[in-house]
Amino acid sequence: ETGVTQSPTHLIKTRGQQVTLRCSSQSGHNTVSWYQQALGQGPQFIFQYYREEENGRGNFPPRFSGLQFPNYSSELNVNALELDDSALYLCASSPTSGATDTQYFGPGTRLTVL
Amino acid sequence: AQSVTQPDIHITVSEGASLELRCNYSYGATPYLFWYVQSPGQGLQLLLKYFSGDTLVQGIKGFEAEFKRSQSSFNLRKPSVHWSDAAEYFCAVGDASNTGKLIFGQGTTLQVKP
Repeated sequence: ETGVTQSPTHLIKTRGQQVTLRCSSQSGHNTVSWYQQALGQGPQFIFQYYREEENGRGNFPPRFSGLQFPNYSSELNVNALELDDSALYLCASSPTSGATDTQYFGPGTRLTVL
Repeated sequence: AQSVTQPDIHITVSEGASLELRCNYSYGATPYLFWYVQSPGQGLQLLLKYFSGDTLVQGIKGFEAEFKRSQSSFNLRKPSVHWSDAAEYFCAVGDASNTGKLIFGQGTTLQVKP
């Protein structure tokens, strides 16, 4: 069984640019959640996708957007990058969107904004 | 508002010694509680979770945690620490809303002395 995978591993961008991060969910999972983990902090919830629809959103501006595809893989897009967007971006998949479903995390994408 | 506090940012223990990592939560209803571990360069791995029932829960790698409603705590314990346990540990509460998003504490870094 393949776990959650993310690409790329590392990324360096400059302020104002746009970035797309990718996540492949674990087999059999239809829900993907994205988290931002700044250095020295716990992860913060960005949003969740359930069966290709956004199912909830944290306190992040609209320049953070996402997609989920029919195979349940997902993308996180960030426009107009700011220095504070530098962080580890974690994707987690779960069997459904329920609160009792364990979220399985990928290794993350380290984004550096210069 | 829901929140999680991990009072200890950094803890050092000797190999073979016992360990307790503290976690306090603020949540209006019965919480769904989790402990995750993050090794350098890795994603988050679930150690254990509590939804209901027995307040002492067993997890992987010899860890256990006890839910104490009166103290709003969910402390993680291990009787004998191994050098491979050195990592960052996160306590999280699961939002009982539709998304089941996780609200994380700031994390506790565990260092193990030989």
